[in-house]
Amino acid sequence: GAVVSQHPSRVICKSGTSVKIECRSLDFQATTMFWYRQFPKQSLMLMATSNEGSKATYEQGVEKDKFLINHASLTLSTLTVTSAHPEDSSFYICSAMGQSTYTFGSGTRLTVV
Amino acid sequence: AQSVTQLGSHVSVSEGALVLLRCNYSSSVPPYLFWYVQYPNQGLQLLLKYTSAATLVKGINGFEAEFKKSETSFHLTKPSAHMSDAAEYFCAVSDSGGYQKVTFGTGTKLQVIP
Repeated sequence: GAVVSQHPSRVICKSGTSVKIECRSLDFQATTMFWYRQFPKQSLMLMATSNEGSKATYEQGVEKDKFLINHASLTLSTLTVTSAHPEDSSFYICSAMGQSTYTFGSGTRLTVV
Repeated sequence: AQSVTQLGSHVSVSEGALVLLRCNYSSSVPPYLFWYVQYPNQGLQLLLKYTSAATLVKGINGFEAEFKKSETSFHLTKPSAHMSDAAEYFCAVSDSGGYQKVTFGTGTKLQVIP
């Protein structure tokens, strides 16, 4: 079945630094990937749609200069949280469309200290 | 625009009892509907999906859901709860066809009491 690998699973960084999260589709090609953010005890909120070879489409209220998305190949999308602050601490999850369904990565727990 | 409403943020059932998690949807076009399960600090795992085929959808781990257009519902059920079913469950909707974004409900945390 379709597998999406997300790395790292956990990361702790200092305030002001940048963190890159990778999302890979292992056994299928994904022209479109999605990035979600999940706050504690809340649902997933779509941040942006990542399109291979073109600019990402950001949801309203999401700062594109802070959350940089790159989708350079059909199997890899990256989310970079730039100049991270404690309020960026959250659970980030990617998903990709494969085999007629959405497959999710295992998520990245980001803690900014 | 599309949305889902999950009734009840917390549901508790006894082990062996029926599990019923409610989901109502709103969509201007025929929807695709999904149920996902999330264990702590993990991603989402697809339980089942409705894509305009059979209205009764069977998923993994003994779960099933029935699409009822007249009630705009897609409730998740399991005849007999197991301790391992304790998790958070999300109902989700997307527009049918194409690579459309998925809109999630607020989730229902299922507690199974031994």
